[in-house]
Amino acid sequence: GAGVSQSPSNKVTEKGKDVELRCDPISGHTALYWYRQSLGQGLEFLIYFQGNSAPDKSGLPSDRFSAERTGGSVSTLTIQRTQQEDSAVYLCASSYGGTDTQYFGPGTRLTVL
Amino acid sequence: GENVEQHPSTLSVQEGDSAVIKCTYSDSASNYFPWYKQELGKRPQLIIDIRSNVGEKKDQRIAVTLNKTAKHFSLHITETQPEDSAVYFCAASSSPRGTYKYIFGTGTRLKVLA
Repeated sequence: GAGVSQSPSNKVTEKGKDVELRCDPISGHTALYWYRQSLGQGLEFLIYFQGNSAPDKSGLPSDRFSAERTGGSVSTLTIQRTQQEDSAVYLCASSYGGTDTQYFGPGTRLTVL
Repeated sequence: GENVEQHPSTLSVQEGDSAVIKCTYSDSASNYFPWYKQELGKRPQLIIDIRSNVGEKKDQRIAVTLNKTAKHFSLHITETQPEDSAVYFCAASSSPRGTYKYIFGTGTRLKVLA
């Protein structure tokens, strides 16, 4: 079946602008995660959604970052007033349950000029 | 907070030799340890995983060992091939307050020299 998809694949924006990144998880997966990968670095946890539970936002680096998941499926990560240090690849992953293997999307490469 | 250390950061081996990557985790409650391979510009792909009730798992040329007492786990690749060249990430599943997020290591860039 279809894997995790993300859009756009690339996003270039100017400092101070808002951006929205989209993630479509694998159908039936109840858990959804956002990670950030800076150039040459590991993956940094941002936020976790599981079913109808309140999301774990403990990894969000600042209040400029927010995410929502509508209808328990598609998720949008929003970065307000982007800064150059926000430039990174933003990866989404989903899993069938919270304890199961996470499958990653192709990522969105964000460049803030 | 939770932490995963991964070593080495880079590793070069001759084709046909073995490669070993080691990770140490801090959260003693971690019970799931996946390994991901990420080729340049591509998404991380799961290559093998192990749960805390198992000490070793093998899949063809790839194996993972887990030492819960010492809180470390290792990836072993035998008979390396050029297509094994990639960045490998270990992770530990940490579940504070029921969130099954992964804490990733910083990655190992493996180069297999032909």
